[in-house]
Amino acid sequence: GEDVEQSLFLSVREGDSSVINCTYTDSSSTYLYWYKQEPGAGLQLLTYIFSNMDMKQDQRLTVLLNKKDKHLSLRIADTQTGDSAIYFCAEQASGGSYIPTFGRGTSLIVHP
Amino acid sequence: NAGVMQNPRHLVRRRGQEARLRCSPMKGHSHVYWYRQLPEEGLKFMVYLQKENIIDESGMPKERFSAEFPKEGPSILRIQQVVRGDSAAYFCASSRADGYTFGSGTRLTVV
Repeated sequence: GEDVEQSLFLSVREGDSSVINCTYTDSSSTYLYWYKQEPGAGLQLLTYIFSNMDMKQDQRLTVLLNKKDKHLSLRIADTQTGDSAIYFCAEQASGGSYIPTFGRGTSLIVHP
Repeated sequence: NAGVMQNPRHLVRRRGQEARLRCSPMKGHSHVYWYRQLPEEGLKFMVYLQKENIIDESGMPKERFSAEFPKEGPSILRIQQVVRGDSAAYFCASSRADGYTFGSGTRLTVV
C-alpha cells in the first residue's frame, strides 16, 4: 500500500534555510507534490516534481528527489516568518485512480 | 476564475443532526475529490467523483456518509446523524494536470 511519512515539526530561525523531508513507499509514483497550509486555510500547491527528475528549483524553493531511496525534500532558502505553516508532501502513483496520498504534514515554525 | 469554492466555511451541528457540505470545482473541472483532516492528522482521502458518478469511495466510512456530484450544481458531502468524532476540516479539490486545487475547507464542529 501507499504510505507517506514526514516529521511533524521543524523550528528554524528567520533567515536560515529550512529542509523538510518526506519518504514514500510506492515506487510507481509519477508526481510528487509539496503543499502549504496556513492556519484556517486550504492547501496551496507550492511545487511538484516528476519522478524522472532529481531536482527542481523555483525561486527560494528547491525540491530534491532521491528515487532510489524514495526520499523527497523541500528546501526553503532565507526562511521568513510568513513561511510558518504546515507543509504536506503528497505522492501520486501511475496506476489506480491517480488519487494522491498525503503525509501528515510538517509544522514549520520560524522564529526571529 | 473563482477556484474551488466550498461552503459553508464553518458548520456547527448537534449530535444526531445532518451535515451537508458543498463544493463547486474550478470552472471546466469535472473531477472532485473529498478529503478529511482530523486535528493534528494529515489529509485522508474519502471519495473521488465525476459528474453523476462515484469513481472511488474507498475512503468513505461505510455508514452515515454519502457523496454526490450531480449533472448540475455542486458536489455534496452528506453526513447523517453526526457524532463528535465527525468534527474535522473537510476539504474538496478538483484536479488539473499538474496538481490539485483545494478549496478553503469546511470546518465541521459537532456539539
